[in-house]
Amino acid sequence: DAGVIQSPRHEVTEMGQEVTLRCKPISGHNSLFWYRQTMMRGLELLIYFNNNVPIDDSGMPEDRFSAKMPNASFSTLKIQPSEPRDSAVYFCASSLTPQTNTEAFFGQGTRLTVV
Amino acid sequence: QQQVKQSPQSLIVQKGGISIINCAYENTAFDYFPWYQQFPGKGPALLIAIRPDVSEKKEGRFTISFNKSAKQFSLHIMDSQPGDSATYFCAASINTGTYKYIFGTGTRLKVLA
Repeated sequence: DAGVIQSPRHEVTEMGQEVTLRCKPISGHNSLFWYRQTMMRGLELLIYFNNNVPIDDSGMPEDRFSAKMPNASFSTLKIQPSEPRDSAVYFCASSLTPQTNTEAFFGQGTRLTVV
Repeated sequence: QQQVKQSPQSLIVQKGGISIINCAYENTAFDYFPWYQQFPGKGPALLIAIRPDVSEKKEGRFTISFNKSAKQFSLHIMDSQPGDSATYFCAASINTGTYKYIFGTGTRLKVLA
């Protein structure tokens, strides 16, 4: 398996533009997590899905952020409109159900820069 | 209640020395405590994990010590090597049908050759 695949790896956009980050979880995993990493705040959980259903989005910073998981093999995190303070590395992670494996496997991340 | 506090923020250790990173939590419902290792430009990867029914877990040079009464756990890296230089995150999670991982703020470890 290729692991969790995120795209793009790097994104530079202008303030006010819409940004879409993409994630393909490991096949067979039924939990998916979006994290944001910054120097100041470390790894923050934004939202997580279980069986394609959003379970907890309390970490989503504001209404400009939205996430979807239309099927078991694809998820998106959208920021509209983007702001410079959104600049960070965004990670997607996936895992199996707790009964079998609790390890979360992370993708390589998307480094977002909003200028 | 959902926070995991990690210290120190950065750590410099000589090759062959012991690296110690500490974490503390408040929520007694947490039942899984993993440590993740992250190299520059990569995503975090699971290093070692422990459940609260044991006080210590060792895998090679890496050991987790767990103090349930104090609500603290720590990572010890014995015989630290330059290749161990990375950022380390502690985490905690609860089984609520799925695991929601709450991470500490990270410790940047540098092992000097």
